[in-house]
Amino acid sequence: QKEVEQNSGPLSVPEGAIASLNCTYSDRGSQSFFWYRQYSGKSPELIMSIYSNGDKEDGRFTAQLNKASQYVSLLIRDSQPSDSATYLCAATYYGNNRLAFGKGNQVVVIP
Amino acid sequence: GAVVSQHPSRVICKSGTSVKIECRSLDFQATTMFWYRQFPKQSLMLMATSNEGSKATYEQGVEKDKFLINHASLTLSTLTVTSAHPEDSSFYICSAREKSAGSSGGLGTKNIQYFGAGTRLSVL
Repeated sequence: QKEVEQNSGPLSVPEGAIASLNCTYSDRGSQSFFWYRQYSGKSPELIMSIYSNGDKEDGRFTAQLNKASQYVSLLIRDSQPSDSATYLCAATYYGNNRLAFGKGNQVVVIP
Repeated sequence: GAVVSQHPSRVICKSGTSVKIECRSLDFQATTMFWYRQFPKQSLMLMATSNEGSKATYEQGVEKDKFLINHASLTLSTLTVTSAHPEDSSFYICSAREKSAGSSGGLGTKNIQYFGAGTRLSVL
């Protein structure tokens, strides 16, 4: 069973602050990692992809990958109320043909 | 980004009827499409992987005769929920992965899945 774990509960951050999300994965063969944002009642929307160790920045989002420790993180800088959503971490498995999703972390940005 | 269209967005049907959901990649060719199911406040659960021109690969515990998948072209996959019952009520979401000249699942594709808007199925 390929697992992606997102263990922390709902995260409340004040507007303008940094939101930090973490994720671990079990399959050392995973090569591609993603963060999706899902608003209530909607389907997931890709916000970040990362494939090699280190940081990747895109606008207010930074993804960090550490394959040795098997974790992926997402930082949201200057958090906005529109960032309030559930963030899903995903990693490929089965020869990188499938995605395993974590349970998600709910982020609430307080104006 | 790539666009995946999913229809219908919402279905309400009586128990025992069959429901067909369509998933189309609008601006790219998708050799592989995926069907997921999501219950309230839970994560996405992969139901099956649909490959163009071949039979779908179902995840453990998913009944292939219950959830019929057809991937007849590089831009269209359909999921038919046969003889739907109230326990089939859920949010069904498709995704598509863009075709690449590289090997399937290789880094050339970057393995990005683009999601449709989802179909909320309510079986009465």
